[in-house]
Amino acid sequence: DADVTQTPRNRITKTGKRIMLECSQTKGHDRMYWYRQDPGLGLRLIYYSFDVKDINKGEISDGYSVSRQAQAKFSLSLESAIPNQTALYFCATAGSNTGELFFGEGSRLTVL
Amino acid sequence: AQSVAQPEDQVNVAEGNPLTVKCTYSVSGNPYLFWYVQYPNRGLQFLLKYITGDNLVKGSYGFEAEFNKSQTSFHLKKPSALVSDSALYFCAVRDIRGSTLGRLYFGRGTQLTVWP
Repeated sequence: DADVTQTPRNRITKTGKRIMLECSQTKGHDRMYWYRQDPGLGLRLIYYSFDVKDINKGEISDGYSVSRQAQAKFSLSLESAIPNQTALYFCATAGSNTGELFFGEGSRLTVL
Repeated sequence: AQSVAQPEDQVNVAEGNPLTVKCTYSVSGNPYLFWYVQYPNRGLQFLLKYITGDNLVKGSYGFEAEFNKSQTSFHLKKPSALVSDSALYFCAVRDIRGSTLGRLYFGRGTQLTVWP
């Protein structure tokens, strides 16, 4: 089983719909992140959380919200999806102070 | 601000030849630097990191990277490329400032193609 699991892996939706992407991890890490990947733009940070009660905005948080339900779970919501939110979304975790990130397999979202 | 630049969108190399994927960085303070690889339809995988110590860092799959403070570079290298090395490579720098501690800033990625 994967250490960082994202659901759904693929989703097609319509403009204006509410979408939730979920992430769960079995690595026991405190730090969790949501990134968005677009071709030619690399990865951009949406939100991150260092603890259950800690939520921080990243570079591109507008139009997104998150919830850290437990140490192992970090969900990303699009309250009203728009076509330019079509992208590949990654959840990641990190444990140590110098630590590398561990990524999920990604959730591909298409907004029509 | 912390940032990294990958000046090449694409690198092409023949199998068996050495490869280099370039990365330069801009940070306040000492850098924590990382390389990740992304295979098609997969998440990013950690390759190696530089925190402190020896400027030549060895990582997974035979890759290594050289930290050069004077040139603010952290180029990824492999002595002999394999077709299976073909993937998208990302350089990243970790923010070590108090208010945003732990954030990683990624470059735009370099597509490496190794042909037989």
